[in-house]
Amino acid sequence: QKEVEQNSGPLSVPEGAIASLNCTYSDRGSQSFFWYRQYSGKSPELIMFIYSNGDKEDGRFTAQLNKASQYVSLLIRDSQPSDSATYLCAVNNRYSASKIIFGSGTRLSIRP
Amino acid sequence: EAQVTQNPRYLITVTGKKLTVTCSQNMNHEYMSWYRQDPGLGLRQIYYSMNVEVTDKGDVPEGYKVSRKEKRNFPLILESPSPNQTSLYFCASSPGLAGKYNEQFFGPGTRLTVL
Repeated sequence: QKEVEQNSGPLSVPEGAIASLNCTYSDRGSQSFFWYRQYSGKSPELIMFIYSNGDKEDGRFTAQLNKASQYVSLLIRDSQPSDSATYLCAVNNRYSASKIIFGSGTRLSIRP
Repeated sequence: EAQVTQNPRYLITVTGKKLTVTCSQNMNHEYMSWYRQDPGLGLRQIYYSMNVEVTDKGDVPEGYKVSRKEKRNFPLILESPSPNQTSLYFCASSPGLAGKYNEQFFGPGTRLTVL
């Protein structure tokens, strides 16, 4: 079992709709959870960070964390073509807060 | 401008020819890391450093070396590159260990091809 799992996609969502991206992790002791966005040929950039159970909202983005079920999700409201990218879920290792484990990413495509 | 820089950005080399990819950050970050990214495998950590002279192996360290003699620099060394090290490499840095400070800032990437 991979430590951080994501559906590779592609996930195709119409413009203006809600895009829902999911991630599960295996280490119950993980404490910090990240969503990075990566455009093709570019480096990853952080868009959301969450460490408490529940929802965290930032503009059109909402991160949801459920530690009991070991999943973290990202919702993108009012999806725009510029949201088309690969979204990487990342989780810190419980034994070393500096060690971050990435999922393989979900490719999101917003169709006009 | 706060940034992580990597050089070179693109490199084509031959098997066995030693190479170094440089990484430098100007944000006074404690933590630096190297990743490789391959299709379908995501970002895999090669080595990381929590401070000067402190380095540790990540998930895929075989065939790589690193050093951290200065806080701002963290070069990646391939002593004898092989074709399976053809990949996209990212250097990253972050301020510290707890909470928000685990946010990593990535360099622009180095695309390496080993023939």
